[in-house]
Amino acid sequence: NAGVTQTPKFQVLKTGQSMTLQCAQDMNHEYMSWYRQDPGMGLRLIHYSVGAGITDQGEVPNGYNVSRSTTEDFPLRLLSAAPSQTSVYFCASGPQGNAEAFFGQGTRLTVV
Amino acid sequence: AQSVTQPDIHITVSEGASLELRCNYSYGATPYLFWYVQSPGQGLQLLLKYFSGDTLVQGIKGFEAEFKRSQSSFNLRKPSVHWSDAAEYFCAVGSTQGGSEKLVFGKGTKLTVNP
Repeated sequence: NAGVTQTPKFQVLKTGQSMTLQCAQDMNHEYMSWYRQDPGMGLRLIHYSVGAGITDQGEVPNGYNVSRSTTEDFPLRLLSAAPSQTSVYFCASGPQGNAEAFFGQGTRLTVV
Repeated sequence: AQSVTQPDIHITVSEGASLELRCNYSYGATPYLFWYVQSPGQGLQLLLKYFSGDTLVQGIKGFEAEFKRSQSSFNLRKPSVHWSDAAEYFCAVGSTQGGSEKLVFGKGTKLTVNP
């Protein structure tokens, strides 16, 4: 009964380092998305995918890459971390059609 | 472009009092609307959703919301608030196909419940 699993839960990076935030879902959902949450800003969409091999940019894609090689996994890559990327990152998945998104527990990232 | 406005950043109510959280959306077609709740340090949990049909939607934990097209609103209500309802609440609108792949969120309303 795992749902959407994000790893790691916490991470501290130095400016310029790269890393990958992992997201996996076991519900066979077609849709997967990444959001970042900053105080007073709500959640903003970074990238999303409507199926394996298909990705697209959201509202705030700069500095992030994604790929979707399998239905289950949707990793988010930070190429060269910047302090402005300090945030809480949420992965979500959902089925096609009229349905809600299911969220992971989040990854709290600090870039120093 | 779609947008969601939650006019109240922070609301404080007493336990047992009624609650209404406001949400206004901007969208050209029939919107697909959601309310999520986030407890501190946690992910988001769906409270309720509206896709079509009855404009009064019932959700979990005793919450309900009413879709009013004429006012572009989807306000969340609860008749009697419990201390465990203290959390942050987010209104969101979905894509034209009704999918959840690219939600647009409001900035959230933080609810404090006084004993």
